[in-house]
Amino acid sequence: EIVLTQSPVTLSLSPGERATLSCRASQSVSSYLAWFQQKPGQAPRLLIYDASNRATGIPARFSGSGSGTDFTLTISSLEPEDFAVYYCQQRSNWPMCTFGQGTKLEIK
Amino acid sequence: QVQLVQSGAEVKKPGASVKVSCKASGYRFSSYDISWVRQAPGQGLEWMGWITTYNGNTNYAQKLQGRVTMTIDTSTSTAYMELRSLRSDDTAVYYCARDRYSLWGQGTLVTVSS
Repeated sequence: EIVLTQSPVTLSLSPGERATLSCRASQSVSSYLAWFQQKPGQAPRLLIYDASNRATGIPARFSGSGSGTDFTLTISSLEPEDFAVYYCQQRSNWPMCTFGQGTKLEIK
Repeated sequence: QVQLVQSGAEVKKPGASVKVSCKASGYRFSSYDISWVRQAPGQGLEWMGWITTYNGNTNYAQKLQGRVTMTIDTSTSTAYMELRSLRSDDTAVYYCARDRYSLWGQGTLVTVSS
C-alpha cells in the first residue's frame, strides 16, 4: 500500500500570508495526486486533481505542483475561509486510493 | 441540481449490520462510478471501496474484505454500502463520492455502541 505523509501536521498562519503544504508518497504515484479541503461538519471538497489541475469553481489562489513522490499545495494569499484541514490523496492504482493524514491550517 | 443524498444517522449494536444509501440526482447515474470513504471521529479519511454503476463491479479495501458489500439500484439511481459484524471502531461518518471525488454526499454518521 502506498503511504502518503503530509507535513506539517499543523500550520499556523495569518490571513494574507502564503501557505505551503507538503505531501510525500512512499513510492511514485506519477501525477495521480489530488488535494481536498475539509471544514468541520462538512464533506471534503476537491481542490486539485492530477497534481496541478484546479477543480471546477476553485479560486486561482490554490495551486498544486509536483510529480513522482513529492507534491505541494500552495495557497498564495490566505482568505479567512481557507482555514481548514487539507488532505492529499493518491490514485495511482485506481480505483484503490489512499489519503494522507491531513494538515490542519489554523489562524495564527 | 447535481447531488448525492445519503440516508440518515444510524445507531447499531456490536455485531449488527448497517446499510447506508446514496441517492444520485441531476445527472445520468450510470455515467459515473461511486466510491465510499469513511472518517472516524477526529480522524482522517479512509477509502472503503468502489463500485462501477455501469455493471456493478466492485473493488474493496483489503481490511474490509468479507464484511462490506457495495451494490447499486439503477432503477432508483441509488448506491448502497452494507457493513456487517460491526465493531466499535466502525463508528464513523460514511461518505459516498462520485467521479474521482468531485461530488460528495453529505455523510452518514454510524454509531456502534452497546
